[in-house]
Amino acid sequence: GQQVMQIPQYQHVQEGEDFTTYCNSSTTLSNIQWYKQRPGGHPVFLIQLVKSGEVKKQKRLTFQFGEAKKNSSLHITATQTTDVGTYFCAPNRDDKIIFGKGTRLHILP
Amino acid sequence: EAQVTQNPRYLITVTGKKLTVTCSQNMNHEYMSWYRQDPGLGLRQIYYSMNVEVTDKGDVPEGYKVSRKEKRNFPLILESPSPNQTSLYFCASSLSVWPGQGNYEQYFGPGTRLTVT
Repeated sequence: GQQVMQIPQYQHVQEGEDFTTYCNSSTTLSNIQWYKQRPGGHPVFLIQLVKSGEVKKQKRLTFQFGEAKKNSSLHITATQTTDVGTYFCAPNRDDKIIFGKGTRLHILP
Repeated sequence: EAQVTQNPRYLITVTGKKLTVTCSQNMNHEYMSWYRQDPGLGLRQIYYSMNVEVTDKGDVPEGYKVSRKEKRNFPLILESPSPNQTSLYFCASSLSVWPGQGNYEQYFGPGTRLTVT
């Protein structure tokens, strides 16, 4: 079945540095969502991407969907302590939503 | 307030004792889903429901049952829990899963931490 690989699994960055997480699929994706889960919390929806090459921005967060719709990325500019958490990509496979294993972001003050 | 509620939030039980985790949403969502979250494995879908009386298996359905008799409720049933079902469980709902029907973000409940001894 469709699998998604999310890398890196962990990332430690200094506060103020940039951060990027990648989501890669062996098959073409129809769409993809991104979620953030704070420590001890539940996943919270960030964005959905549908079109090939789509780029969406939310303040310091930039989301991209690859031209071939096989990969996606989330980039955070100038990280802050509030960015701590695990970021998941979640493509749609038929009626199912498949989550990547997530990238845990740790911010060093 | 739009929300997904789960009960109980924490549960410690013994092997073989049937239990039910309830899930309810007040947003009139059609799609509901159960996930389990385990360290290093991310979120894995157990069962999902496209609408009332329509349920289907996710990626890890073994040992679980669900029902969808009403639109707002989607209980998760463990008929005979085993220690390998010790996990953090999340219920989620969304309007749909098809982008053609608009934004279909999933709203998650607060989670149920289950321990089976």
